[in-house]
Formats: sequence, C-alpha cells, structure tokens
Amino acid sequence: QQQVKQSPQSLIVQKGGIPIINCAYENTAFDYFPWYQQFPGKGPALLIAIRPDVSEKKEGRFTISFNKSAKQFSLHIMDSQPGDSATYFCAASPFSGGYQKVTFGTGTKLQVIP
Amino acid sequence: KAGVTQTPRYLIKTRGQQVTLSCSPISGHRSVSWYQQTPGQGLQFLFEYFSETQRNKGNFPGRFSGRQFSNSRSEMNVSTLELGDSALYLCASSSGTPGGGYGYTFGSGTRLTIV
Repeated sequence: QQQVKQSPQSLIVQKGGIPIINCAYENTAFDYFPWYQQFPGKGPALLIAIRPDVSEKKEGRFTISFNKSAKQFSLHIMDSQPGDSATYFCAASPFSGGYQKVTFGTGTKLQVIP
Repeated sequence: KAGVTQTPRYLIKTRGQQVTLSCSPISGHRSVSWYQQTPGQGLQFLFEYFSETQRNKGNFPGRFSGRQFSNSRSEMNVSTLELGDSALYLCASSSGTPGGGYGYTFGSGTRLTIV
C-alpha cells in the first residue's frame, strides 16, 4: 500500500517536445503529490505539487494532471528544452503529515535532444 | 536564506570502518529526513526525525543510525562499512511534521565511496 510506481524509467525527446511521466499510487491516505527534479551532483529540488481537490496544476512549462479515481498523476513538460534534462521523481504523502513518510517513485531520467 | 547543508560532500572509506555524516537543515525547519540514493534504486528512505525524536525508520540494518540535536541539526552514522554502502546520502528538511504537505528541501548530498 506504500508503493508509488513511476514510468517510464528513461525518456528521450527532441527540443520542443512534450515528455510525459506517469505515476500511480495505492495508499488512499495520500493527498499530497509533489514532483522533484534532480540534476547530476545535486539533491532533488521541489518542482511542483498538487492536491486531489484539483485535476490539473500549471507552473510555467510544467503541468501536473491528476486522476483521483484511477489513483494516477502525471507530469507534462511543455516546449521541453535541453536544460530540462534531469531525473524526475514523483512522490506521495498525507498532506497533514502524521509522521507517515514520503514515498518516492523510482525516477525517470529525461534527456532532451537539441 | 541558507539551504540544507551537508558535510562532507565527498568521503572515501575502507570496508569495516565507520562514518558520520552531518546535516544542517534550513533555519526553523524541525523535520529532517535521510535518504540513500544509488543508481537504479532511486531514493531509499533511511529515517526521519522531528524535534529530536526518530519518527520513522526505513528497512536498513542496524548499522545505520542517526540522531537529531536540539538545534535540529542531524547526523547519521554507518558502522562496519560494506562495499554496498557506497551511495549518495541525501538529507532533506521540511517546515512541517514529517511527511506533511510542505515539501522537502534537499541538500546536495554526501557521496560516500567504500573501497
């Protein structure tokens, strides 16, 4: 019940393309879904997050789509750039905390080709 | 505002030794979590501290331990090092209670290499 399944493991797109990364969760207690971006040699950085009261959230070129009934959420990167090349992790946790740990997906390595 | 500071950045140890890694969270953050990251394994949860108390622990052997001080700084210790302990160790701090909806701020990690 604690798993977050992330796919694909790796992704190569051309500049300007729209890479999509998918995650699925099982624990219905999860109601906070952040995405993290990690560049080589750095720790992950919080990119964007969504709660289940909305089906979509946009911040700049990054969009999260959320499907509560399917227990799935995805990250879309509009007009992708070579600088977006990084590893992306989805995560899930209860928003209210309660000392339940954050569960991360296994990561997607994205390469954007010029 | 200073970020999460992890020291040292790089460390080389031999099998059987022990090591202590340090993490200073963002000022005012009381929650500190530790993760191990290895190629292909993603982020493996080690433990989580809030107000000097361990709130959660992952599935790692007892050789891995940690603590948090009254100023929220945290240390993790690995004893009897094994080759498989080679990894990037990440510390993350949060302004809320562990796992809560405030998001993590990660440090740049300590790259531990066992030879």
